[in-house]
Amino acid sequence: AQSVAQPEDQVKVAEGNPLTVKCTYSVSGNPYLFWYVQYPNRGLQFLLKYITGDNLVKGSYGFEAEFNKSQTSFHLKKPSALVSDSALYFCAVYNAGNNRKLIWGLGTSLAVNP
Amino acid sequence: KAGVTQTPRYLIKTRGQQVTLSCSPISGHRSVSWYQQTPGQGLQFLFEYFSETQRNKGNFPGRFSGRQFSNSRSEMNVSTLELGDSALYLCASSSGTSGIPEQFFGPGTRLTVL
Repeated sequence: AQSVAQPEDQVKVAEGNPLTVKCTYSVSGNPYLFWYVQYPNRGLQFLLKYITGDNLVKGSYGFEAEFNKSQTSFHLKKPSALVSDSALYFCAVYNAGNNRKLIWGLGTSLAVNP
Repeated sequence: KAGVTQTPRYLIKTRGQQVTLSCSPISGHRSVSWYQQTPGQGLQFLFEYFSETQRNKGNFPGRFSGRQFSNSRSEMNVSTLELGDSALYLCASSSGTSGIPEQFFGPGTRLTVL
């Protein structure tokens, strides 16, 4: 079965420190992977995606993610966290064989402390 | 381009009532997907409409229904509301024609059932 796991409900980092939000997936075939961010009382905003090619993907607001096929992971990273990065982050995977549905993780709440 | 708009932003209803939510996608987008977001369950896929036809469906009871109009605007209806229907309902649009569903989300409708 297709699935996405975000193993941490919450991540806390200090401003200026690097941050990582973890995502692992399970799909048959080639995965298309996405990260979205949700600020309070807002809809989800697209951050980045991996389709094919370079394993390191750069996205909006200084975020990047690394696709690791052997570990079936797609962790979201940022070298230096900002307080304004505090939000809910969702990982999603798409596989054309899964009736064209996006499968979503449950989300990770990121808190960046000043 | 204007983003995805959802109306109303907030709704309060009582058990047994019905409700209709509206979504206007980004101009030119033909696919509209609906999600239910709750704190414990993350994003749950309701259905997707493409060119006025339901193309995909999640695992929700028949009380949840939707439709799409010729201008791609979509409505979602929930009949016989239950307390458990209280959630943020998100609409997402995409072109629907490429193989990879990069979705653009509206701000959501917060439904409270009393």
